Amino acid sequence: LAKTTQPISMDSYEGQEVNITCSHNNIATNDYITWYQQFPSQGPRFIIQGYKTKVTNEVASLFIPADRKSSTLSLPRVSLSDTAVYYCLVGDTWGSQGNLIFGKGTKLSVKP
Amino acid sequence: KAGVTQTPRYLIKTRGQQVTLSCSPISGHRSVSWYQQTPGQGLQFLFEYFSETQRNKGNFPGRFSGRQFSNSRSEMNVSTLELGDSALYLCASGQQGETQYFGPGTRLLVL
Repeated sequence: LAKTTQPISMDSYEGQEVNITCSHNNIATNDYITWYQQFPSQGPRFIIQGYKTKVTNEVASLFIPADRKSSTLSLPRVSLSDTAVYYCLVGDTWGSQGNLIFGKGTKLSVKP
Repeated sequence: KAGVTQTPRYLIKTRGQQVTLSCSPISGHRSVSWYQQTPGQGLQFLFEYFSETQRNKGNFPGRFSGRQFSNSRSEMNVSTLELGDSALYLCASGQQGETQYFGPGTRLLVL
């Protein structure tokens, strides 16, 4: 399973765009990139998933360069409620044999 | 569709006791995975069930076990509880080829 590296923490202010980059140098051909958001004492919430180029949904965009060795989660105009831990995962959509490998995630703090 | 539900949401037990946690997956999902989350170790995979069969298991002692019923509901059991078993236990359900969706978790405190 491809290992991911992402910043431990990031600070931002309300209304700003936040970009969190994840490195996954050993990503396999059939691996997807998935991002989850987690608030304290809650289960991780699926944000977005992509394979290549750009994916956008109602909450975020995911940018994946051609070599797929990294990806960037973009959160437009963050608010205080976006303060959470964000996890980047790579693997097949299922997770190899049904399991997802979580790293330490990026703790995003949004300030007023 | 209703999301993944877990019961109970909070639980307090003492060392040596056993505990059973329950998870109801999203309707139509046949796979259920269990995870343990602690401040020190983060999110760790326990095991995954698909169509009542355990397909994969993480690196946890045999005190941790689970099962899945024909309606895809799943239970996990921890016997002879230790203080270090205090954690948030998360259940996730999914369909083959799709991502996993997590429940709210069960917070277990072992005293």
